[in-house]
Amino acid sequence: GQQVMQIPQYQHVQEGEDFTTYCNSSTTLSNIQWYKQRPGGHPVFLIQLVKSGEVKKQKRLTFQFGEAKKNSSLHITATQTTDVGTYFCAGQGNQGGKLIFGQGTELSVKP
Amino acid sequence: NAGVMQNPRHLVRRRGQEARLRCSPMKGHSHVYWYRQLPEEGLKFMVYLQKENIIDESGMPKERFSAEFPKEGPSILRIQQVVRGDSAAYFCASSPSLQTGELFFGEGSRLTVL
Repeated sequence: GQQVMQIPQYQHVQEGEDFTTYCNSSTTLSNIQWYKQRPGGHPVFLIQLVKSGEVKKQKRLTFQFGEAKKNSSLHITATQTTDVGTYFCAGQGNQGGKLIFGQGTELSVKP
Repeated sequence: NAGVMQNPRHLVRRRGQEARLRCSPMKGHSHVYWYRQLPEEGLKFMVYLQKENIIDESGMPKERFSAEFPKEGPSILRIQQVVRGDSAAYFCASSPSLQTGELFFGEGSRLTVL
């Protein structure tokens, strides 16, 4: 079945440093989504990528979708303490199919 | 405009009891998803439902677990004869259509089995 792998599992950075999490799917995806979950909270949608090679930016966050539509990355420039949380990628194999989440990358930021 | 509502937020059960978790999707949303999250782990897909219809239940354990989304009322995830391993956070999410874009998650129901 479809699997979505995410690395690293944990990332500890100093405030101001950059952060990247990577996501790989065992199958080609129709789209990939990214979510953020704060400690004790629930997942909150960040963005959806649909096109091969797509790059989207949200302020200090940059999201990429690979050419083969099997991998994706999230890069945060100059992390802040408000970036703390777990970042999940989630892939959809077919339009209308279930959304499979990666294991998440837990980001901690030291002030 | 109320978001996805889940209740109870916290539930404590003894082994062998039943747990019922409820989810009311956002207004206008007809699709509901249930995910389970164990401590320090990711979100595991369980089931995907439309009103009165189970679309995909490939993530549901074969025994003791069931889900429904009736024509009227909330979606219910039912766990019979709970065991300690069922302790987890159960998240419900909704979307307006089969063509999923953003999933809107509820606050989750945290089940503890003693």
